[in-house]
Amino acid sequence: GQNIDQPTEMTATEGAIVQINCTYQTSGFNGLFWYQQHAGEAPTFLSYNVLDGLEEKGRFSSFLSRSKGYSYLLLKELQMKDSASYLCAVRDSNYQLIWGAGTKLIIKP
Amino acid sequence: ETGVTQTPRHLVMGMTNKKSLKCEQHLGHNAMYWYKQSAKKPLELMFVYNFKEQTENNSVPSRFSPECPNSSHLFLHLHTLQPEDSALYLCASSQEGLADSYEQYFGPGTRLTVT
Repeated sequence: GQNIDQPTEMTATEGAIVQINCTYQTSGFNGLFWYQQHAGEAPTFLSYNVLDGLEEKGRFSSFLSRSKGYSYLLLKELQMKDSASYLCAVRDSNYQLIWGAGTKLIIKP
Repeated sequence: ETGVTQTPRHLVMGMTNKKSLKCEQHLGHNAMYWYKQSAKKPLELMFVYNFKEQTENNSVPSRFSPECPNSSHLFLHLHTLQPEDSALYLCASSQEGLADSYEQYFGPGTRLTVT
């Protein structure tokens, strides 16, 4: 079966750096997405990786290793507003998105 | 604001009721989706419409019935639901076929409680 694994919950301190990991086993691979979802709100797109390596976008970076079935989302200079759930999703060979359950990130002052 | 609106935002219904969820996208996209989001579970894709044609129905019970009258509007008709259907129902849209990433834009969701 297809599976996306990410930690259920993480805690970090304001101003610090946190890395949220995602491992996947899917039938085919056509890209990996990270979304941010604040409580009670819609998921919003953060990043997209289809080739191996690091994609940097301001304070957020996303890394992909296709051979390892692994990605991470790196958040730098954490702010209180970064408290949210972070969803990892992989597009499979049928171009359907397979979603992880999300990682709830708690930022403490 | 993501350009995708959903109504109502909250809905409480009995198991014998019939109700409909509405989604509208203002982005000119050609694909729309219904997802179910339950606590601590992955998003479950329910239905996909590409160019108004249903292309995906992931073994969803018949008590859920989608309707896509045009590329901007999507409905989810509900009848004789069960308490386990209580969840957040998210609508999303994307532009298929032109860009590599095909990112999806989500609405704020309808929080459904079945009593």
